[in-house]
Amino acid sequence: EAGVAQSPRYKIIEKRQSVAFWCNPISGHATLYWYQQILGQGPKLLIQFQNNGVVDDSQLPKDRFSAERLKGVDSTLKIQPAKLEDSAVYLCASSLGGTSADEQYFGPGTRLTVT
Amino acid sequence: AQKVTQAQTEISVVEKEDVTLDCVYETRDTTYYLFWYKQPPSGELVFLIRRNSFDEQNEISGRYSWNFQKSTSSFNFTITASQVVDSAVYFCALRGTGGSYIPTFGRGTSLIVHP
Repeated sequence: EAGVAQSPRYKIIEKRQSVAFWCNPISGHATLYWYQQILGQGPKLLIQFQNNGVVDDSQLPKDRFSAERLKGVDSTLKIQPAKLEDSAVYLCASSLGGTSADEQYFGPGTRLTVT
Repeated sequence: AQKVTQAQTEISVVEKEDVTLDCVYETRDTTYYLFWYKQPPSGELVFLIRRNSFDEQNEISGRYSWNFQKSTSSFNFTITASQVVDSAVYFCALRGTGGSYIPTFGRGTSLIVHP
């Protein structure tokens, strides 16, 4: 079974530029999560999708971050414009269901460096 | 609000030593789930275990064991006879079922096992 795929793996941009990350979840998984992991910290949930609807985006900085999951499969996370403090690893995860009990499967992440 | 505390930032042991990683949590939910994940240098978080708040039985899986104590709000993880391959960052996570269903991760404990 293929795991969660993410691209690119690494990205370096200058502040005020825009960037987009892509995630392809495990086939059949209804729920998709985007996390931000700053160096030395645990992952922080940015947004959770159930199929193509948003379940929670309370921790997403909506003035610069946006995410979509068209057709309930792939998802993209965009930052526009980027700030220095956005330097982090962006992790995508998926789960079969959307309950608190569901095991999440994580992708390898995209390491973003903003200079 | 939910909180997960992993007070040990880094633990260094020699191979074959036993090691315990501590996790203390706070939640107002009566039903909740606790998780442990392993993050090797490759970056991908790997699910290790899930525990629900009504199941305080300890669990053993090979060299891994978990001790859940509701009275002290702790969910500790022990690796017996550690191996170099156990070197990774380990995260404890909490997910409630009421208003606190957003996953909350601790800051992680970096385990270094020396040969």
